[in-house]
Parts: sequence; structure tokens; C-alpha cells
Amino acid sequence: RKEVEQDPGPFNVPEGATVAFNCTYSNSASQSFFWYRQDCRKEPKLLMSVYSSGNEDGRFTAQLNRASQYISLLIRDSKLSDSATYLCVVNGNRAGKSTFGDGTTLTVKP
Amino acid sequence: EAQVTQNPRYLITVTGKKLTVTCSQNMNHEYMSWYRQDPGLGLRQIYYSMNVEVTDKGDVPEGYKVSRKEKRNFPLILESPSPNQTSLYFCASSPLGRNYGYTFGSGTRLTVV
Repeated sequence: RKEVEQDPGPFNVPEGATVAFNCTYSNSASQSFFWYRQDCRKEPKLLMSVYSSGNEDGRFTAQLNRASQYISLLIRDSKLSDSATYLCVVNGNRAGKSTFGDGTTLTVKP
Repeated sequence: EAQVTQNPRYLITVTGKKLTVTCSQNMNHEYMSWYRQDPGLGLRQIYYSMNVEVTDKGDVPEGYKVSRKEKRNFPLILESPSPNQTSLYFCASSPLGRNYGYTFGSGTRLTVV
């Protein structure tokens, strides 16, 4: 079993839709969690950290469920520019060790 | 501008010819890391460093070496490249602390023939 698993999609949604991605992790000692976005084999860019209490940044909401060992990303009012691959990242208890999920591909259509 | 700089961006080389991919960051970050990205396999961590002279193996360290003699630089060395090391490589850096994610360089596309 992979340490970090994501549904690869693809998710094809119309503009304005709400879409949610989930990511599960296997190491219960994991310390911190992030969502990244990657466009067309360019470098991944940090979208947001994920906090235990949940956090929101504009149209994006991230949640962490430690008991079930998953994190989620909700995108409201999808824009064409949201089309990308979304990567979840889990940092273990070894400082600097980061494990990426394989990514979920989102295409927002007009 | 705060950034992670990798060089070269593209490299084609032959099997067995030693090469170094350089990585430098200007943000005074403690953590640095190397990843490779392959279709269907996602991003996999090769090596990471917590600070000068402190490095550790990631998930796929075989065939690679790193060094961290200065805080800003973290070169990736392939002593004897093989075709299975053909990949897209990313260097990244992060400040100390759990809630900081990595900032990535633009990537190095390496082809070993």
C-alpha cells in the first residue's frame, strides 16, 4: 500500500461547480499536511497547508481528519484557471521527509 | 526575488558519464530536498537535508549522491548515470518548522542514452 493515496481522476467539471478531492495516508505519526498544484509538468506550487481545525483560502477549503487519516480539498465556484493536477503531501515524523501523492487531475470546462 | 534555482534545465547525456545538477536557494532555508517525477509514479523523494552537513536518504536514493557544504547549495550527483535515471528532477527548499511546505525549482529534464 502506498503511503499517500489519491484518486487520480480525471475530474471534469463545468465552470462554477464545486469539486472535492480526498487523500489518505498510512502513517499515523504524520506531522503536517499540504496541498500543492502542478501545471503541465511545471514545478509544484504550494496551494495551502492543512490544519487540524480546517482552513480556508478564498474558494479553497482544506480539512484534516486524523482519526480516519485523510485530508481533503474543496474548490468552490471552479474557474477555468483551476485546471491542474492537485497533489497532497504528508510530512512524516522525520524532519524534511515529505511524501507526495500521485496527484488528481482537474479539468474545468466552459 | 526569493527562489530556488536549478541548472541545467535540460540535459542529455550518455550512460556512465558523471554529472552534477546544481541547486541553490536564496531564502536562507534550512531544509532542502531532491525529487524525481516519472509518469505514473508521481514525485519521489531522493535525498533531503535538514541543514549543513546533515543529509538523509529519501525513498529512491540508489544511484544518487548529495552534499550540503553550504546552506544555500544542494547539488545532486549522478556518478554513473543509467537510462532508468531519465526523469524530471526538482530541487526544493523549506524553512524550519512543520507548517512550511517546500518551494520548488523549475526542474531539470534529464535524458540518459
